[in-house]
Amino acid sequence: EPEVTQTPSHQVTQMGQEVILRCVPISNHLYFYWYRQILGQKVEFLVSFYNNEISEKSEIFDDQFSVERPDGSNFTLKIRSTKLEDSAMYFCATSLPPRPSLYEQYFGPGTRLTVT
Amino acid sequence: AQRVTQPEKLLSVFKGAPVELKCNYSYSGSPELFWYVQYSRQRLQLLLRHISRESIKGFTADLNKGETSFHLKKPFAQEEDSAMYYCALYNTNAGKSTFGDGTTLTVKP
Repeated sequence: EPEVTQTPSHQVTQMGQEVILRCVPISNHLYFYWYRQILGQKVEFLVSFYNNEISEKSEIFDDQFSVERPDGSNFTLKIRSTKLEDSAMYFCATSLPPRPSLYEQYFGPGTRLTVT
Repeated sequence: AQRVTQPEKLLSVFKGAPVELKCNYSYSGSPELFWYVQYSRQRLQLLLRHISRESIKGFTADLNKGETSFHLKKPFAQEEDSAMYYCALYNTNAGKSTFGDGTTLTVKP
């Protein structure tokens, strides 16, 4: 069964550095999402992306964050200048064009980001 | 604003006992509701969705619009059901999911 993959599985970075988290969607999926989960807290929506543009973003997704699909396959989340509070597990999810009766998001295994 | 509330952070039952994981939502439109499960060291995966009215691994969930609830139920819990369970609401217009805080279910032998 096809799966969403994410790299790296764990990223350690210093405060102020830029990080790029990568996701490879399931091949025929067209909607892409990023979520984060701070340790011990709930899964939080960051952004959804379709047709090369952001569909929706949360208040968490400020100017420090950006997403793109640079090569038509990978879907990336960039954090421009990391802060300690960015430490979290970041999940990518993908889906076919969402129709209510068939909608399902497939989640990747996550990237654990540690900002020191 | 859309909101999902899972009032129980932890739930513990014995094997063979019935289990109910509560979920209440707040949403002005017509909701699309889902239950996701995360087993230890595994990724989040869809358990069931209200639209399909299916039963997966013995779990069912009924959308009650009057009570704005989507509780997850299983008549006889198994040890392998031990996991974190998330209720989620999807806004089809905005393409945005809102997750509850999650409930950790432990099924004791």
